[in-house]
Amino acid sequence: KAGVTQTPRYLIKTRGQQVTLSCSPISGHRSVSWYQQTPGQGLQFLFEYFSETQRNKGNFPGRFSGRQFSNSRSEMNVSTLELGDSALYLCASSLASASYNEQFFGPGTRLTVL
Amino acid sequence: AQKVTQAQTEISVVEKEDVTLDCVYETRDTTYYLFWYKQPPSGELVFLIRRNSFDEQNEISGRYSWNFQKSTSSFNFTITASQVVDSAVYFCALSLRDTGNQFYFGTGTSLTVIP
Repeated sequence: KAGVTQTPRYLIKTRGQQVTLSCSPISGHRSVSWYQQTPGQGLQFLFEYFSETQRNKGNFPGRFSGRQFSNSRSEMNVSTLELGDSALYLCASSLASASYNEQFFGPGTRLTVL
Repeated sequence: AQKVTQAQTEISVVEKEDVTLDCVYETRDTTYYLFWYKQPPSGELVFLIRRNSFDEQNEISGRYSWNFQKSTSSFNFTITASQVVDSAVYFCALSLRDTGNQFYFGTGTSLTVIP
């Protein structure tokens, strides 16, 4: 069974630009969550999508948004990039939106904002 | 508010030594779940264990063991006879019954096993 895939793996952007990251969950998984990992703040929850609906949202500005498609693939978008958005963005998939579920993580997209 | 604390930022041990990684959590919810994940240099988090708040049984899996104590809000992880392949960053995480797959992660403990 293929794992969680994220594209692209690396991305370099400049301040003010926008970026879209993609995540394909494990086949059959309907929940996709996104996390931001930085050396200073650690791993922080961005949002979770389940059946194309945002189920939960973390404490991030509105510049961070996401969506989920009918095939459970998810994208997250960051508009008007800031230097502080440089981070590893991790996507995790799970069978359902339930707190006891094991989440399977992808390799991440490393975003560098110059 | 929910919080997970991993006070040990970095630990170094010599191969074959035992090592314990500490995790302390805070929540007012009575139903919650605790997890440990391993993040090797490749970056992908790997699931190690899940424990629910009603199950305080300790668990052993090979060289790994976990000690869950609700009285001290701790969920500690011990690696016995450490190996170089155990070198990674280890994260403890908390999820709540009513917030789906939202994990509250600790800041992680970087473990280096020296050959």
